[in-house]
Amino acid sequence: EAQVTQNPRYLITVTGKKLTVTCSQNMNHEYMSWYRQDPGLGLRQIYYSMNVEVTDKGDVPEGYKVSRKEKRNFPLILESPSPNQTSLYFCASSLWQGEGANVLTFGAGSRLTVL
Amino acid sequence: GQQLNQSPQSMFIQEGEDVSMNCTSSSIFNTWLWYKQDPGEGPVLLIALYKAGELTSNGRLTAQFGITRKDSFLNISASIPSDVGIYFCAGVDYNQGGKLIFGQGTELSVKP
Repeated sequence: EAQVTQNPRYLITVTGKKLTVTCSQNMNHEYMSWYRQDPGLGLRQIYYSMNVEVTDKGDVPEGYKVSRKEKRNFPLILESPSPNQTSLYFCASSLWQGEGANVLTFGAGSRLTVL
Repeated sequence: GQQLNQSPQSMFIQEGEDVSMNCTSSSIFNTWLWYKQDPGEGPVLLIALYKAGELTSNGRLTAQFGITRKDSFLNISASIPSDVGIYFCAGVDYNQGGKLIFGQGTELSVKP
């Protein structure tokens, strides 16, 4: 089944404790992206990647890092989480060219709470 | 960042009623997408629109790509309880390298 898989789905952590949210897709998509969803603010893009070793900042990149060492994986790293990073996070991927380009497939979400 | 204006923000309707929601933008888009997010899940694509004026249906759902390319609407006919969720529009901004710009979402509640 074609899908985007995120882990963990739920996480409660404390301020300053580094964490990584993994994201993997099995559709051979070039483009991958991370979003956060907060009440009243919709979906906001954190980082995106157009291919292996190519990443760029989205609209709200502060406090986050990403890497794209392999095409299928795009982990989101919070080096020193803070309470304002408590949110629902989504990873998504799409083709970059051709039919279906830019049509994102989303993961199921990772709900992060930072105490 | 740039955002679409999606309305209404929320709707409370009776089962069986028709629903209409829309998105407008100051920018032209070449692709419009409509997603649905069920509670506790990620958004799932409902309909993709690629041409101005295009009208596309998916079961009880119908969406149109506005002629001006600055708007789109989604209609749901004869709503049922499983239509509950948040509906997002998204425009593909090729001036920003194909980035998806999302509306704020319309939260739909259906009373049986």
